[in-house]
Order: sequence, then structure tokens, then C-alpha cells
Amino acid sequence: AQSVTQLDSQVPVFEEAPVELRCNYSSSVSVYLFWYVQYPNQGLQLLLKYLSGSTLVKGINGFEAEFNKSQTSFHLRKPSVHISDTAEYFCAVSLYSGGGADGLTFGKGTHLIIQP
Amino acid sequence: NAGVTQTPKFRILKIGQSMTLQCTQDMNHNYMYWYRQDPGMGLKLIYYSVGAGITDKGEVPNGYNVSRSTTEDFPLRLELAAPSQTSVYFCASRPGQGAPSVFGPGTRLTVL
Repeated sequence: AQSVTQLDSQVPVFEEAPVELRCNYSSSVSVYLFWYVQYPNQGLQLLLKYLSGSTLVKGINGFEAEFNKSQTSFHLRKPSVHISDTAEYFCAVSLYSGGGADGLTFGKGTHLIIQP
Repeated sequence: NAGVTQTPKFRILKIGQSMTLQCTQDMNHNYMYWYRQDPGMGLKLIYYSVGAGITDKGEVPNGYNVSRSTTEDFPLRLELAAPSQTSVYFCASRPGQGAPSVFGPGTRLTVL
């Protein structure tokens, strides 16, 4: 079975500073990787995804993530954060399997807190 | 496109009551999912469906039932509500393998 570990439950950062949210996964087969953002009292919105190809993927709102197969990591980064980035961020994987119907396996989330 | 819609937004149930959470998508996606989100625990998969008439259990199916009679609708049924089912429930859909899931706005359920 696959699993996802988000190493930090909460990350406080000053506005305009860079941030990295860490995500590691475990799986015996290849996976697709995703980052989702959840603003207070809302559903989940896709930030970015890695399916194949270039290991550096760019998403919405200036976020990017790098897939590292040897370290089984998919860390999320942003060079300069804004107050509006305050939210819960979830890393998730789905299996690269023949059927493709498997749901997402989520990490527990990282609460990004932007301080003025 | 409305995307994925869920009703109701909020609900309070008494222990032992039953209810159905509704989920509809208008994107003609084959795959649909129900997740529950508990504080500090991320989201966990309850049930999923790969098409009309086909459903399967996820990680935490106990206490729930689903049906899928059309491509658009995927209702989640709670038969005997328990306090442990207090959670936020999200419905999601996607067109196929590797495609990202589109999530609904959620239903916040409290069982007292």
C-alpha cells in the first residue's frame, strides 16, 4: 500500500519570504503526484501535478514542485509568499496502475501561516 | 459547467438517524469518489465508482453505502449515524487515469 508523509503540520513564514512544504511518499509501484490547496471552509483546489516528464512542475499562484524519484519526495516551493497563500496544503498520490480508478492517498496536510 | 456539486452544505443528525449526501457532476467523468476529512488527518477514501452500476470500497467504508445509477450522480448513504461519522465529506470526480480529481465544496456533518 502507498503512503504519504507531510513532515510539517504547520509552517509559519513571513510575507514575501520563500517557503518549502515537504512531502515524501512510499509506494511499491509508480505513482502520480499532486498538490492541492484548501482555503478555509472550502473544497480542495489543484495546485499542480506530476504525471511524467520534467521533474520540475509549475502550478498556479506561483507554486512549483520537484519530483525526486531517488528520495521519493515531491516538495512544494514558492519564492515569495503572500497573505493570500494562508491555507492548508495537501500532498497526494494515486497509483500508476492499469485500471487507474484508485482514489488519492493524502498526507495529513500542512497549514501554511503567513505572517505580516 | 457547475463542476461537482454537493448537498446539503451542513447537517446535524441525531445518533441512529439516517441520511443521504448528494453528489452530482456535469463533466461526464467516469470515476467518482467519496472522501471524509477529519482534523489533522487529511482525507480518507470511503467509496469509489468507475462507472454507472460499479462501486467499490475504499479505506474507510464501514457505516456507509453508495450507489451509482447514472454517470452524473453518486450519493452516499449513512444508515445509522454515529458520533464517529462527524466529519466533512467531499465528493470528487475525474475523467480517467492520471487526471487530477475535481472536488466538490463539501458537506459538514455533525452527529450528536
